[in-house]
Amino acid sequence: GAVVSQHPSRVICKSGTSVKIECRSLDFQATTMFWYRQFPKKSLMLMATSNEGSKATYEQGVEKDKFLINHASLTLSTLTVTSAHPEDSSFYICSARVRTNTEAFFGQGTRLTVV
Amino acid sequence: SQQGEEDPQALSIQEGENATMNCSYKTSINNLQWYRQNSGRGLVHLILIRSNEREKHSGRLRVTLDTSKKSSSLLITASRAADTASYFCARLNYGGSQGNLIFGKGTKLSVKP
Repeated sequence: GAVVSQHPSRVICKSGTSVKIECRSLDFQATTMFWYRQFPKKSLMLMATSNEGSKATYEQGVEKDKFLINHASLTLSTLTVTSAHPEDSSFYICSARVRTNTEAFFGQGTRLTVV
Repeated sequence: SQQGEEDPQALSIQEGENATMNCSYKTSINNLQWYRQNSGRGLVHLILIRSNEREKHSGRLRVTLDTSKKSSSLLITASRAADTASYFCARLNYGGSQGNLIFGKGTKLSVKP
Protein backbone atom coordinates (compact mmCIF):
# COMPACT_ATOMS: atom_id res chain seq x y z
CA GLY A 1 0.00 0.00 0.00
CA ALA A 2 0.85 3.66 -0.13
CA VAL A 3 3.19 5.09 2.48
CA VAL A 4 2.64 8.13 4.65
CA SER A 5 5.54 9.25 6.79
CA GLN A 6 5.08 11.44 9.84
CA HIS A 7 7.86 13.13 11.73
CA PRO A 8 8.78 13.43 14.54
CA SER A 9 7.35 10.40 16.30
CA ARG A 10 7.89 11.96 19.71
CA VAL A 11 8.51 15.48 20.85
CA ILE A 12 8.73 17.14 24.22
CA CYS A 13 8.54 20.90 24.33
CA LYS A 14 8.22 23.65 26.88
CA SER A 15 5.02 25.60 27.39
CA GLY A 16 4.84 28.59 25.13
CA THR A 17 6.97 27.17 22.36
CA SER A 18 5.82 25.97 18.94
CA VAL A 19 6.16 22.53 17.47
CA LYS A 20 5.97 21.54 13.82
CA ILE A 21 4.85 18.09 12.72
CA GLU A 22 5.40 16.94 9.15
CA CYS A 23 3.31 14.53 7.14
CA ARG A 24 4.60 13.26 3.81
CA SER A 25 3.06 11.00 1.22
CA LEU A 26 6.09 9.08 -0.05
CA ASP A 27 4.84 7.35 -3.15
CA PHE A 28 1.72 9.19 -4.19
CA GLN A 29 0.40 12.71 -4.46
CA ALA A 30 -2.15 13.82 -1.94
CA THR A 31 -4.17 16.93 -2.65
CA THR A 32 -5.94 16.34 0.64
CA MET A 33 -4.53 15.20 3.95
CA PHE A 34 -6.29 14.87 7.27
CA TRP A 35 -5.04 15.67 10.74
CA TYR A 36 -6.45 13.78 13.70
CA ARG A 37 -5.95 14.00 17.41
CA GLN A 38 -6.25 11.04 19.71
CA PHE A 39 -6.61 11.19 23.47
CA PRO A 40 -5.53 8.23 25.61
CA LYS A 41 -7.77 5.22 25.14
CA LYS A 42 -10.01 7.21 22.83
CA SER A 43 -10.81 7.25 19.17
CA LEU A 44 -9.46 9.58 16.52
CA MET A 45 -11.07 12.98 16.23
CA LEU A 46 -10.64 14.97 13.05
CA MET A 47 -9.00 18.33 13.63
CA ALA A 48 -8.70 19.68 10.12
CA THR A 49 -8.54 18.86 6.46
CA SER A 50 -5.42 20.07 4.73
CA ASN A 51 -5.77 21.13 1.10
CA GLU A 52 -2.83 21.61 -1.22
CA GLY A 53 -2.54 25.20 -2.31
CA SER A 54 -5.42 26.50 -0.25
CA LYS A 55 -6.51 27.07 3.32
CA ALA A 56 -7.19 24.19 5.62
CA THR A 57 -10.71 23.41 6.74
CA TYR A 58 -10.97 23.19 10.51
CA GLU A 59 -13.49 21.23 12.50
CA GLN A 60 -15.71 23.00 14.97
CA GLY A 61 -13.93 23.78 18.19
CA VAL A 62 -10.41 23.57 16.73
CA GLU A 63 -8.52 26.85 16.97
CA LYS A 64 -7.05 27.62 13.59
CA ASP A 65 -4.60 30.13 15.04
CA LYS A 66 -3.30 27.54 17.45
CA PHE A 67 -3.05 24.65 15.04
CA LEU A 68 -1.54 26.06 11.88
CA ILE A 69 -1.72 23.83 8.83
CA ASN A 70 0.27 24.32 5.67
CA HIS A 71 -0.02 22.09 2.63
CA ALA A 72 2.68 23.53 0.45
CA SER A 73 3.06 20.66 -1.98
CA LEU A 74 1.25 17.56 -3.14
CA THR A 75 3.36 15.42 -0.83
CA LEU A 76 3.77 17.49 2.32
CA SER A 77 1.45 18.89 4.94
CA THR A 78 2.61 20.39 8.21
CA LEU A 79 0.82 20.97 11.48
CA THR A 80 2.31 23.57 13.79
CA VAL A 81 1.10 23.70 17.36
CA THR A 82 1.73 27.29 18.39
CA SER A 83 2.27 28.53 21.92
CA ALA A 84 1.86 25.01 23.20
CA HIS A 85 0.25 24.33 26.56
CA PRO A 86 0.20 21.13 28.60
CA GLU A 87 -3.41 20.51 27.49
CA ASP A 88 -2.13 20.27 23.92
CA SER A 89 -0.26 17.13 24.92
CA SER A 90 -1.73 14.37 22.81
CA PHE A 91 -1.16 11.95 19.97
CA TYR A 92 -1.47 13.57 16.55
CA ILE A 93 -1.91 11.49 13.41
CA CYS A 94 -2.10 12.44 9.77
CA SER A 95 -3.60 10.48 6.93
CA ALA A 96 -4.06 10.65 3.19
CA ARG A 97 -5.82 8.69 0.51
CA VAL A 98 -4.84 7.98 -3.04
CA ARG A 99 -8.45 8.38 -4.11
CA THR A 100 -11.65 9.30 -2.34
CA ASN A 101 -13.73 6.34 -1.16
CA THR A 102 -10.72 4.10 -0.78
CA GLU A 103 -8.70 3.15 2.25
CA ALA A 104 -6.68 5.76 4.10
CA PHE A 105 -2.98 5.54 4.86
CA PHE A 106 -1.74 6.86 8.15
CA GLY A 107 1.46 8.32 9.41
CA GLN A 108 3.09 6.75 12.43
CA GLY A 109 1.72 9.44 14.71
CA THR A 110 3.43 12.05 16.86
CA ARG A 111 3.33 11.92 20.64
CA LEU A 112 3.49 15.53 21.82
CA THR A 113 4.25 16.25 25.45
CA VAL A 114 4.19 19.85 26.61
CA VAL A 115 5.92 20.45 29.93
CA SER B 1 -22.22 12.11 17.85
CA GLN B 2 -21.39 10.83 14.39
CA GLN B 3 -19.03 8.28 15.78
CA GLY B 4 -19.85 4.66 15.35
CA GLU B 5 -19.82 2.33 18.24
CA GLU B 6 -17.69 -0.73 18.63
CA ASP B 7 -18.33 -3.41 21.11
CA PRO B 8 -16.93 -4.73 23.18
CA GLN B 9 -14.72 -1.86 24.27
CA ALA B 10 -12.17 -4.36 25.48
CA LEU B 11 -11.71 -8.04 24.78
CA SER B 12 -9.24 -10.43 26.35
CA ILE B 13 -8.75 -13.91 24.92
CA GLN B 14 -6.23 -16.73 24.79
CA GLU B 15 -4.04 -17.43 21.79
CA GLY B 16 -5.79 -19.69 19.34
CA GLU B 17 -9.26 -18.43 20.19
CA ASN B 18 -11.37 -16.37 17.83
CA ALA B 19 -12.05 -12.69 18.46
CA THR B 20 -15.21 -10.99 17.29
CA MET B 21 -15.64 -7.24 17.32
CA ASN B 22 -18.79 -5.41 16.31
CA CYS B 23 -19.39 -1.99 14.88
CA SER B 24 -22.60 -0.02 14.45
CA TYR B 25 -23.07 3.16 12.49
CA LYS B 26 -25.84 5.65 11.97
CA THR B 27 -25.88 6.84 8.37
CA SER B 28 -25.83 5.26 4.95
CA ILE B 29 -22.42 4.17 3.70
CA ASN B 30 -20.56 3.50 0.51
CA ASN B 31 -18.14 1.25 2.31
CA LEU B 32 -16.99 0.39 5.80
CA GLN B 33 -13.36 0.07 6.71
CA TRP B 34 -11.53 -1.63 9.54
CA TYR B 35 -8.22 -0.45 10.92
CA ARG B 36 -5.77 -1.72 13.47
CA GLN B 37 -3.68 0.41 15.81
CA ASN B 38 -0.80 -0.91 17.84
CA SER B 39 -0.20 1.02 21.03
CA GLY B 40 1.31 4.43 20.33
CA ARG B 41 1.40 3.92 16.58
CA GLY B 42 -0.51 5.00 13.52
CA LEU B 43 -3.40 3.07 12.02
CA VAL B 44 -3.06 0.30 9.50
CA HIS B 45 -5.82 -0.48 7.06
CA LEU B 46 -7.08 -4.05 7.35
CA ILE B 47 -10.05 -4.48 5.11
CA LEU B 48 -12.67 -2.49 3.22
CA ILE B 49 -16.13 -3.88 2.60
CA ARG B 50 -18.46 -2.18 0.14
CA SER B 51 -22.12 -1.57 0.86
CA ASN B 52 -23.17 -4.16 -1.71
CA GLU B 53 -20.99 -6.84 -0.11
CA ARG B 54 -22.10 -8.97 2.81
CA GLU B 55 -18.88 -10.72 3.68
CA LYS B 56 -15.20 -10.38 2.92
CA HIS B 57 -12.15 -12.38 3.86
CA SER B 58 -8.50 -11.52 4.13
CA GLY B 59 -6.26 -14.16 5.63
CA ARG B 60 -7.46 -14.78 9.19
CA LEU B 61 -9.81 -11.82 9.00
CA ARG B 62 -13.47 -12.07 8.16
CA VAL B 63 -15.68 -9.01 7.94
CA THR B 64 -19.44 -9.03 7.59
CA LEU B 65 -21.74 -6.16 6.82
CA ASP B 66 -25.47 -5.85 7.42
CA THR B 67 -26.64 -2.58 5.96
CA SER B 68 -30.21 -3.14 7.13
CA LYS B 69 -28.98 -3.18 10.71
CA LYS B 70 -26.20 -0.69 10.05
CA SER B 71 -23.68 -3.00 11.61
CA SER B 72 -20.48 -4.79 10.78
CA SER B 73 -18.34 -7.35 12.51
CA LEU B 74 -14.67 -8.23 12.35
CA LEU B 75 -13.68 -11.78 13.18
CA ILE B 76 -10.07 -12.74 13.77
CA THR B 77 -9.64 -16.48 13.72
CA ALA B 78 -6.93 -18.43 15.50
CA SER B 79 -5.69 -15.32 17.24
CA ARG B 80 -2.04 -14.74 18.06
CA ALA B 81 -0.36 -12.61 20.70
CA ALA B 82 0.74 -10.32 17.86
CA ASP B 83 -2.92 -9.51 17.17
CA THR B 84 -2.99 -7.53 20.41
CA ALA B 85 -4.01 -4.03 19.34
CA SER B 86 -6.96 -1.68 19.12
CA TYR B 87 -9.34 -2.18 16.22
CA PHE B 88 -11.48 0.57 14.74
CA CYS B 89 -14.20 0.64 12.17
CA ALA B 90 -14.50 3.75 10.02
CA ARG B 91 -16.84 5.17 7.46
CA LEU B 92 -16.64 8.07 5.06
CA ASN B 93 -18.10 11.33 6.33
CA TYR B 94 -20.31 12.50 3.50
CA GLY B 95 -21.25 15.60 5.40
CA GLY B 96 -17.65 16.63 5.88
CA SER B 97 -15.38 18.77 3.78
CA GLN B 98 -13.43 16.37 1.62
CA GLY B 99 -14.53 13.05 2.87
CA ASN B 100 -12.66 12.39 6.06
CA LEU B 101 -13.19 9.13 7.88
CA ILE B 102 -15.28 8.91 11.02
CA PHE B 103 -13.97 6.34 13.44
CA GLY B 104 -15.74 4.25 15.99
CA LYS B 105 -14.56 4.17 19.57
CA GLY B 106 -12.52 1.05 19.03
CA THR B 107 -12.11 -2.33 20.63
CA LYS B 108 -8.96 -3.02 22.56
CA LEU B 109 -8.02 -6.64 21.97
CA SER B 110 -5.60 -8.43 24.23
CA VAL B 111 -4.44 -11.90 23.18
CA LYS B 112 -2.67 -13.77 25.92
CA PRO B 113 0.01 -16.32 24.96
